[in-house]
Amino acid sequence: AQSVTQLDSQVPVFEEAPVELRCNYSSSVSVYLFWYVQYPNQGLQLLLKYLSGSTLVESINGFEAEFNKSQTSFHLRKPSVHISDTAEYFCAVTSFSGGYNKLIFGAGTRLAVHP
Amino acid sequence: EAGVAQSPRYKIIEKRQSVAFWCNPISGHATLYWYQQILGQGPKLLIQFQNNGVVDDSQLPKDRFSAERLKGVDSTLKIQPAKLEDSAVYLCASSSTGRGETQYFGPGTRLLVL
Repeated sequence: AQSVTQLDSQVPVFEEAPVELRCNYSSSVSVYLFWYVQYPNQGLQLLLKYLSGSTLVESINGFEAEFNKSQTSFHLRKPSVHISDTAEYFCAVTSFSGGYNKLIFGAGTRLAVHP
Repeated sequence: EAGVAQSPRYKIIEKRQSVAFWCNPISGHATLYWYQQILGQGPKLLIQFQNNGVVDDSQLPKDRFSAERLKGVDSTLKIQPAKLEDSAVYLCASSSTGRGETQYFGPGTRLLVL
């Protein structure tokens, strides 16, 4: 069975500071990894994903995540955050089995950016 | 390209009443998902359709929840009768088939059971 652990439920940070949101997963098979962001009263939006190839993946708004197979981690980082980055961030893992994907989410990390 | 549509956005009912949610996926997406997101938790998959067939409903409380996807497009999720613990946001998502396909989420329906 697969599972995802997001190690921090809340991360407060000042504007323009760097941030890291931690994610560890467990799986006995090859996986694909995702980070989704959820703004208040909205659905989830894909931030970035790792399928294969380069272990460092980037989003269009400055976030990046690195797939580390030996540590079973997929931590999300941003070198300088903005107030607008305040949101809930979900790490998720899926494998492709039986012809379909099944996405398992972590509990989420609430990022609060303060001026 | 239009996104995933859901209605209603908000619903308040009393326990033991019934409620239904509607979802219209992105055009051409064969796979449709319903998730339950309880406050402070990540989304939990309730049921997954591929075209109009169910591929996973292992976490659907079948004594009170039901879902259908007629003609492989729109879907409805019903709860009957509702319990207090059903208060949550119900998210619908859709995706293409294939390895690691991105799921696109609707805005969700926020349900409060009193």
